[in-house]
Amino acid sequence: GQNIDQPTEMTATEGAIVQINCTYQTSGFNGLFWYQQHAGEAPTFLSYNVLDGLEEKGRFSSFLSRSKGYSYLLLKELQMKDSASYLCAVDTGGFKTIFGAGTRLFVKA
Amino acid sequence: DTGVSQDPRHKITKRGQNVTFRCDPISEHNRLYWYRQTLGQGPEFLTYFQNEAQLEKSRLLSDRFSAERPKGSFSTLEIQRTEQGDSAMYLCASSLEWSTSSTDTQYFGPGTRLTVL
Repeated sequence: GQNIDQPTEMTATEGAIVQINCTYQTSGFNGLFWYQQHAGEAPTFLSYNVLDGLEEKGRFSSFLSRSKGYSYLLLKELQMKDSASYLCAVDTGGFKTIFGAGTRLFVKA
Repeated sequence: DTGVSQDPRHKITKRGQNVTFRCDPISEHNRLYWYRQTLGQGPEFLTYFQNEAQLEKSRLLSDRFSAERPKGSFSTLEIQRTEQGDSAMYLCASSLEWSTSSTDTQYFGPGTRLTVL
């Protein structure tokens, strides 16, 4: 079966660092996406990890461990505009992407 | 604007009616995807086109759903005899093939929000 787990909600303070975890069990795995989705808007691409390790892109970093079926998204220097849902998604191969339910992040002043 | 566009943005219909949505992908993108998203959930894959060929279709896509991409450019998603359970956001995404063995980064349109009364 296909299973992607991430926390439903998280709250963090402006300027802080937050880590959003994602675990997955899928029948195939080519890579893992992170998308950001503001309420009522379309998801926007943040990162795609294929190999194990940490990839940094500005304030956002994404980590992957294929052997553990685990990824996290790290957001630094949080801003109010980072309040959004963060979707973990697995590229299972065969051009099908399976999305998790998303983690709603609330950034408070 | 050269992003993915969808029309209409909102659709309210009565149960039993047919509805059709349109998606215009980014012009050079040859891959097009349809997803359905309900509140508090991630997008659920519905179907995928490579150029004009529909290569994959989810079991979620019942006989009442049909999608086309006749010339390999825009796509339409039709729902016949709508039911209240069809109420959702329907998202379209497109991507440019760079590898035959993996998924490309998908760029999403703004979605069509369907409400079935």
